Amino acid sequence: DTAVSQTPKYLVTQMGNDKSIKCEQNLGHDTMYWYKQDSKKFLKIMFSYNNKELIINETVPNRFSPKSPDKAHLNLHINSLELGDSAVYFCASSQFARGVTEAFFGQGTRLTVV
Amino acid sequence: AQSVTQLGSHVSVSEGALVLLRCNYSSSVPPYLFWYVQYPNQGLQLLLKYTSAATLVKGINGFEAEFKKSETSFHLTKPSAHMSDAAEYFCAVSDPNLGSARQLTFGSGTQLTVLP
Repeated sequence: DTAVSQTPKYLVTQMGNDKSIKCEQNLGHDTMYWYKQDSKKFLKIMFSYNNKELIINETVPNRFSPKSPDKAHLNLHINSLELGDSAVYFCASSQFARGVTEAFFGQGTRLTVV
Repeated sequence: AQSVTQLGSHVSVSEGALVLLRCNYSSSVPPYLFWYVQYPNQGLQLLLKYTSAATLVKGINGFEAEFKKSETSFHLTKPSAHMSDAAEYFCAVSDPNLGSARQLTFGSGTQLTVLP
């Protein structure tokens, strides 16, 4: 069983489209994240949810909207896609209550905007 | 604010040689520190973590790291490199005092190449 799963793994779309990436974790964790990895492999936090509540919202265009229907899911919806949105998006989860925030990562979604 | 600096974006070693990947952190409080590995087209996998228990931390695949507060370093080592160690390695830091906002701040990564 995959601990943190994202779908799709690859996403190619045209500028201006709206797309969603889904994430599910079966680890029973209470905190989920979205990270963005750019073409130089730099990783940066985008959002964090704890018990379905938005905790962190870094400087991300409001075209990006996370949604957490329950603790096990954190989806990312992107409106009006731009070329610069091309990147690999990673979902991750951790258990805050246990103290140490080692995060478990999904396999990533490679988004290509053309 | 916390930050991580990884010295050397590319490191090449011969198979069987010592692996040393450098990481220095900046933090106003004793941090949690992590090393992750990323294989091509895959997600990040935790290698090891420092959580203020022991300064020498052993991880998976024969890797270990030593926390040195005086040098603000957390360098990753492995005595003998294997071809399968070729990957991208990331050092990361988190602030234990941030509660549920305790996200990871990553370094820029080091690409390890292992030469036959």
